[in-house]
Amino acid sequence: NAGVTQTPKFRVLKTGQSMTLLCAQDMNHEYMYWYRQDPGMGLRLIHYSVGEGTTAKGEVPDGYNVSRLKKQNFLLGLESAAPSQTSVYFCASSYGSPGRNNSPLHFGNGTRLTVT
Amino acid sequence: GNSVTQMEGPVTLSEEAFLTINCTYTATGYPSLFWYVQYPGEGLQLLLKATKADDKGSNKGFEATYRKETTSFHLEKGSVQVSDSAVYFCALSDNQAGTALIFGKGTTLSVSS
Repeated sequence: NAGVTQTPKFRVLKTGQSMTLLCAQDMNHEYMYWYRQDPGMGLRLIHYSVGEGTTAKGEVPDGYNVSRLKKQNFLLGLESAAPSQTSVYFCASSYGSPGRNNSPLHFGNGTRLTVT
Repeated sequence: GNSVTQMEGPVTLSEEAFLTINCTYTATGYPSLFWYVQYPGEGLQLLLKATKADDKGSNKGFEATYRKETTSFHLEKGSVQVSDSAVYFCALSDNQAGTALIFGKGTTLSVSS
């Protein structure tokens, strides 16, 4: 019963390096999300997807790109990492719209990224 | 756009004390409201939800009532336990389409025995 799995769990990058965070869900959920969590800021939405092949920008999309080539996977890319992207990143998924369908979000355990 | 404001923490209580964590929101339409809990080192878990005015969500002894007149969704528990120590997030759907959730900044609860 894996739910939402994020890899890696930890990563340290140097400024300017690139990386991809992988999120996989085995619940056949349509919607997937990437949030970042920073002290005193709560969770802020980076990008989200309402189905395979679709993506949309959230509140803080700059510096990130995403792809949803398969329904079960949602990738978050950092092309040129900056210290301001040091954060804990959470992936989440939901069966339907949390607003219209009252579908709750299911979260992974997070990826802690440090950019030096 | 829609937004949510939570009381700032940390909240420090003794075991068996009464808990209230305030949450107010600003929204167009009638968003669904949620409380999530995050235990150390883990992702967020849904604690309870309410989908329309006057609905009461409840789970594990926690309750929250959707108050449209005061635009509030305060979290309460009559008798907290040490195991309730965690960060609590209030959230609402982002707009009429409700495609994502907007979270408050979180309130840290610490319960001592």
